[in-house]
Amino acid sequence: EVHLLESGGGLVQSGGSLRLSCVASGFTFSSYAMTWVRQAPGKGLEWVSIISGGGDKIYYADSVKGRFTTSRDNSKNTLSLQMNSLRAEDTAVYYCAKDSGSPGPLHYWGQGTLVTVSS
Amino acid sequence: EIVLTQSPGTLSLSPGERATLSCRASQSVSRNYLAWYQQKPGQAPRLLIYGASSRATDIPDRFSGSGSGTDFTLTISRLEPQDFAVYYCQQYGSSPRTFGQGTKVEIK
Repeated sequence: EVHLLESGGGLVQSGGSLRLSCVASGFTFSSYAMTWVRQAPGKGLEWVSIISGGGDKIYYADSVKGRFTTSRDNSKNTLSLQMNSLRAEDTAVYYCAKDSGSPGPLHYWGQGTLVTVSS
Repeated sequence: EIVLTQSPGTLSLSPGERATLSCRASQSVSRNYLAWYQQKPGQAPRLLIYGASSRATDIPDRFSGSGSGTDFTLTISRLEPQDFAVYYCQQYGSSPRTFGQGTKVEIK
C-alpha cells in the first residue's frame, strides 16, 4: 500500500526558512516523479514543483522559483522541499504526491503539513 | 503556462441530479493529459479521472470525463450525498502542471 507522510511544517517569520520532508513507502520510490502541491487556507490547489525519479529534472511554479528547492534521497525514500525567503502568501497546507506515470496524474497524496508564515 | 478555467464556480444541485462541470484550457492540453480530483474539507484531493476520460481505481461509474484539446467536462450522472465536494481539473502534459480554480458542488 502506498503511503506518503509529510513533516516539517510549522510557524515561521516572514523571510525565514523551513524544510519539509515526505517519506514514501509501498512502491519503488526511485521509479516515480514526485510533486509538491499547496493549498492556502480556503483557497484552491496550487502546483508547486515536480522532480523526476532520478532527481535530474526539476520544475517549479513561477511563484516559488528561486526561493524553493526540491530534492530527493532515493536511498531513504524521502522527498524534500527547502523553502527560503518565506512570505505570508506561502502560508498553506503542503502536500506531497506521487506521479502515476511519465507523465501521470497524482494518484496518491500525503495528508499534508501546514506552513504558516507570520508577517 | 497553460491556464485552466473551471465553470461554474459553484453548482447547487439536489441528490439524484446530474452535475456537469467544465474545464477550459488556454491552449491545447498535450495528449489530453487532463485529470479531475475531488476534495472534501480537511482531506487531501482524490484522483477521479485521468487522461480526460479514464476512471481511476475504485471510482464509481457515475463519474465520467470527456473532452479533448482545450475543452473538458466532468459529469456526475446522479449525485450521491458523498459527492458534494470541490472538484479540480489539472493538466499534466506540460510543466507547470497547473490546476483549475475549482468548482464547488453544494446541496441545493
